[in-house]
Formats: sequence, C-alpha cells, structure tokens
Amino acid sequence: QVQLVESGGGLVKPGGSLRLSCGASGFSFSGYYMSWIRQAPGKGLEWVSYISSSSTHIKYADSMKGRFTISRDNAKNSLYLQMNSLKGEDTAVYYCAREGVYNVFDIWGQGTMVTVSS
Amino acid sequence: DIQMTQSPSSLSASVGDTVTITCRASQSIDDYLNWYQQKPGIAPKLLIYGTSSLQSGVPSRFSGSGSGTDFTLTISSLRPEDFATYFCQQTYTTRTFGQGTRVEI
Repeated sequence: QVQLVESGGGLVKPGGSLRLSCGASGFSFSGYYMSWIRQAPGKGLEWVSYISSSSTHIKYADSMKGRFTISRDNAKNSLYLQMNSLKGEDTAVYYCAREGVYNVFDIWGQGTMVTVSS
Repeated sequence: DIQMTQSPSSLSASVGDTVTITCRASQSIDDYLNWYQQKPGIAPKLLIYGTSSLQSGVPSRFSGSGSGTDFTLTISSLRPEDFATYFCQQTYTTRTFGQGTRVEI
C-alpha cells in the first residue's frame, strides 16, 4: 500500500525549532521528488519546499527561505523538514507529498499539526 | 513567482448541477495545471493533472480544460460527495496553489 506518514508536529514557542519527518512505504521512494505543503487553520494550501530524488535540486517558497531546510534519506525512505526561527504564522498542518508526472502531488500524507505559540 | 487566481472563492449549487471553476495564471504555464479536491480535516486528493488528464479512480464527471494562462474545472451532474473545496495548482515553475473554491450546497 502506497503511504506517507508524517510525524514530529507539536507545540513550540516563537523562535523555536522543530523537525518534521515523513515516512514512505509501498513505492520506490528514491525515485521520486518530494514536497512539503502547509495549510494554516481555515486557510488554503501553501507549497513549502521540494527536493529532487537525489537531493541535488531543492527549492523553497520565498517566505520559508533561510528558516526551513528540506532533506531526505533514501536509505530510510524518509523525508524531513527542519524548521527554525518559528513564528506564529507558521502554525499549520504540514503535509508531505510525492510528486508524480507534471510534478503533481499524487500521494499525500495525513498531515501533522504544528502550533507556534507562547 | 507565478500567481494563481481562482474564481469564484465560493459557490452554491444543487445536486445534479454543472459547476465551473476558473483558474488564471499570472503568466503562461503551458499545460502544467492541476486540480485537487479537499474535504474538511482530510488531505487533498488529486483530481486532474496536466490540465485535462483524469487521475486514476476519479469519476468522469470531472473534467479540465484550458491552456496558457486560463483554465477551468467542470463538474457535471454534481453529487453529494462533490461538495468540497477545490484548488488549482501550477507546477510549471516551482509550485503554486490557487486560493481555493468552496462548493457548497
């Protein structure tokens, strides 16, 4: 069964850090680009970052540049998002997704909630 | 960065109606336009990719069209399970979502 499972969310104070993980199963993880997407409560979808299959190509949304770092470990079938200097506006459900043809997000995880509050 | 503008932001419809949602890109994105459906508390689901290709398992009442900067999602014969929020997305350069269209009863 093709599946993505996020973990690592929680409550963190402003200025703090958090590392999200996304475990993949049921497909050849090392052959796919992967992305992180977030959704603030009651808001729309916001793409965060993508990473190529071999980690050679990485892009971030402008608002996340310099604070967030995407990485992957193909041996562990895992994707990561290191988030530093967190702000209240980073409060959101964070999803990981597999990228297929046309770079579409064809498989999504269930999401993990990140709350930034004092 | 490419901006995606969806309209309307919400619409009311009845079972059996045909609804159309539009998405406009701030510059040409070729056919790199995708559509997702999201229900409350659940991750989005891919409906259409590459402007008009139906994702496996998606009912044929969903269809997409367009090119360049203007795209549409059409849902024919609306069913109760189609009441949800729909997002367009460009993947021509990086990835950008539209702001969403809520389809309500």
